[in-house]
This record gives sequence, C-alpha cells and structure tokens, in this order.
Amino acid sequence: AQSVSQHNHHVILSEAASLELGCNYSYGGTVNLFWYVQYPGQHLQLLLKYFSGDPLVKGIKGFEAEFIKSKFSFNLRKPSVQWSDTAEYFCAVSTGGTGKLIFGQGTTLQVKP
Amino acid sequence: SQTIHQWPATLVQPVGSPLSLECTVEGTSNPNLYWYRQAAGRGLQLLFYSVGIGQISSEVPQNLSASRPQDRQFILSSKKLLLSDSGFYLCAWSIGSGKNIQYFGAGTRLSVL
Repeated sequence: AQSVSQHNHHVILSEAASLELGCNYSYGGTVNLFWYVQYPGQHLQLLLKYFSGDPLVKGIKGFEAEFIKSKFSFNLRKPSVQWSDTAEYFCAVSTGGTGKLIFGQGTTLQVKP
Repeated sequence: SQTIHQWPATLVQPVGSPLSLECTVEGTSNPNLYWYRQAAGRGLQLLFYSVGIGQISSEVPQNLSASRPQDRQFILSSKKLLLSDSGFYLCAWSIGSGKNIQYFGAGTRLSVL
C-alpha cells in the first residue's frame, strides 16, 4: 500500500533560520505530490504541488520543494522562515484517477520571534 | 468562486449517540468529494470519497458511513458513536481526476465522551 512519511513531527526554529522538512513516499509509479499547510485557526490550504516537469517547484510565501524520483522524496524548503510560518505542514501524494490523497503524519513548525 | 461549508464546527456527543456531519460545496458542479479524519498526533486519513451522486467508496473499515444525496452535498454519519470516533473531520472537494487540487473545509472537531 502507498504511504507517506514525514520525518520531523515537531520543528522549532528561530526567525531567519533555514527550513527543510522531509517527505518520502512509497509508490513505484507516477505520482502527484503536494504540500499543504494549516495555519492556526485556518483551513488546510495548498502550499505547492508537483505534477510533472521541473522537479524544483515554487509555492506561496517563498516555499519551494524538490522532487527527487530516485529517492522517492519531496522535501519542503524555505531559506529564511518568519514567525508567520508557524503552522502544521502536510505532505501528500495522489496516484490514481480519483485524486485520492495519502497524507503524511504532518509536521508542526514553531518559529520563535 | 467556489466555497465549501462544513458544520458544525465543534460537536460533543455521548458514546452510543448518532452522528451526522454535513458538507456542501458551492460554485461548482459534479465535484469529487472526500471525508478525512485527523486523530490527535496523526496525519489525515481518507475515510470516504465520492465521484458522483450515490457513489461512495470507503477507504477504511470503521463505524462510520457516508452518503451523497445531492451533487454538492456529502454527509458523514454514524448510528452509534464510539470513543475512538473522536477526532477532527475534514471535508474536501476537487474537480477532474488525477492532477487535481483538493480544497478543504474548516473541519468539525468531534469529541465523543
């Protein structure tokens, strides 16, 4: 069965620190990859996505992610985090025509001002 | 523009009582609809998805059921709640297949006591 694993469950950073959140999936075929974010008190929303093409994708608020097919990974990065990036981040994968998403466990990011 | 409504936002129910959570989508036709649950400390787990009226697919065996009586209405139900049904329930919609982005509602926090 397909699965998604996020390595860090809780990350605490100071403002301006660099961020990298790991995400690995298990599926040998074509995948669509997503990072969703849930800010405190807000809806879960899309941060960025990868369907095909350039494996380095850019999302909102300065986030980017790199798809490395050989490593089955889709890590999220941001060079310099802000206090407003405090949120829960979810990596997700879809593989079929129904668009069903398989989510990772989520990573809670706390940025200290 | 499309919007998704989910209610209630918070619900406290005794063990053994019935459940009905409703989700409606506005501004689009024939959406794919999804119910997810996020248990404490865990990621989002897909419970049900629907590609059309009356078409429900269950992803995990459980105490819950789903129905889609209208094109843009998705209902999550239980005849008798269990303590283990506590969690955060999210409804989502998407259009098309495969490379589709899902849009999430605000969620319902269910506490079964």
